[in-house]
Amino acid sequence: QQQVKQSPQSLIVQKGGIPIINCAYENTAFDYFPWYQQFPGKGPALLIAIRPDVSEKKEGRFTISFNKSAKQFSLHIMDSQPGDSATYFCAASMTGAQKLVFGQGTRLTINP
Amino acid sequence: KAGVTQTPRYLIKTRGQQVTLSCSPISGHRSVSWYQQTPGQGLQFLFEYFSETQRNKGNFPGRFSGRQFSNSRSEMNVSTLELGDSALYLCASSLTAGGRETQYFGPGTRLLVL
Repeated sequence: QQQVKQSPQSLIVQKGGIPIINCAYENTAFDYFPWYQQFPGKGPALLIAIRPDVSEKKEGRFTISFNKSAKQFSLHIMDSQPGDSATYFCAASMTGAQKLVFGQGTRLTINP
Repeated sequence: KAGVTQTPRYLIKTRGQQVTLSCSPISGHRSVSWYQQTPGQGLQFLFEYFSETQRNKGNFPGRFSGRQFSNSRSEMNVSTLELGDSALYLCASSLTAGGRETQYFGPGTRLLVL
């Protein structure tokens, strides 16, 4: 019940395309859903986060869509660039606990 | 403002040894969490400290321990190292420990156990 399932494991998209990464969770106590981006040799960096009272959030070229009833959320990257090539992790946490439960990660490659 | 710093960045140990990793959070941050990252298991929560108290602990054996000092700096210790402890150990800090605070990660300490 503590798991967050992420798909796909890897994704290759042409420059300008819109990669979509999906995550699903079981624990309805989760109330904070961040996405992290990680480059090789670096720690994860927060991209964007959403709370379950909102169905969509945009920050620049990154959009999170959230479906509370389906317990699913997804990341869309608009106008993708080769510099977006990285590993992306979805995560979830609940009020009162700083523990982040991470998905398995998606290795994204944007071809020029 | 300086980010989260972790020392050392790389470490090689042999089975049976113990190791101590250090984390300095962003100035003003009082919550520090530790995560283990491996190719097989991904990112897994180890423990979280706030105001020198462990608030949450993940499903790791007792060989993994940590502490936080009054200046919010944190250390984690792994005793009796096993080959499977080879991983990237990440430290993350946040202002408070409310559960929906942004966690800022350091670059990690890469531990190799031979």
